[in-house]
Amino acid sequence: GQNIDQPTEMTATEGAIVQINCTYQTSGFNGLFWYQQHAGEAPTFLSYNVLDGLEEKGRFSSFLSRSKGYSYLLLKELQMKDSASYLCAVKNQGGKLIFGQGTELSVKP
Amino acid sequence: DTAVSQTPKYLVTQMGNDKSIKCEQNLGHDTMYWYKQDSKKFLKIMFSYNNKELIINETVPNRFSPKSPDKAHLNLHINSLELGDSAVYFCASSQGGTKGYEDFGPGTRLTVT
Repeated sequence: GQNIDQPTEMTATEGAIVQINCTYQTSGFNGLFWYQQHAGEAPTFLSYNVLDGLEEKGRFSSFLSRSKGYSYLLLKELQMKDSASYLCAVKNQGGKLIFGQGTELSVKP
Repeated sequence: DTAVSQTPKYLVTQMGNDKSIKCEQNLGHDTMYWYKQDSKKFLKIMFSYNNKELIINETVPNRFSPKSPDKAHLNLHINSLELGDSAVYFCASSQGGTKGYEDFGPGTRLTVT
């Protein structure tokens, strides 16, 4: 089967660092994506990993370990506007993007 | 603005009705998609078209029929609407292939009463 797991909810403090984990089991692997979705809005692309290692983009970084079926999204210097749902998704062998249920992140002052 | 757009943004209708949602992208992408996001916020692919050709067709009731008149447009027609069809429907597009990421439209919130 195809399965993507991530925590349902997380809470963090403004200015802090938070790590959102994602584990996956899919039929084939063609890359792992992270999306951000604010309430009532469309998902927006954050990052893409296809090789093992860390990809850094400003305050956001994403890590991938293909052998462990594991990724994380790291958010630094948290701001209130980072409160959103973070979706982990894997593109499988057939080119389909399979999404996890999303992690609802609340940033508190 | 270069983007994926879809209309309407909100759609409230009664069971048994037929409705359509329209989608257009001006990003020059080859591949377009329809996704459904249910009340638990699970985002699931329904269909994918590449250059007007259907390439992904998930296990979706045949009351749902996508139509792509050209590679910039992908519409979704739903017949005999049911309560369980209530969800947010997102159109998306990508450059295609296995590495392109999806750009999502603003979503259509469908409520069936």
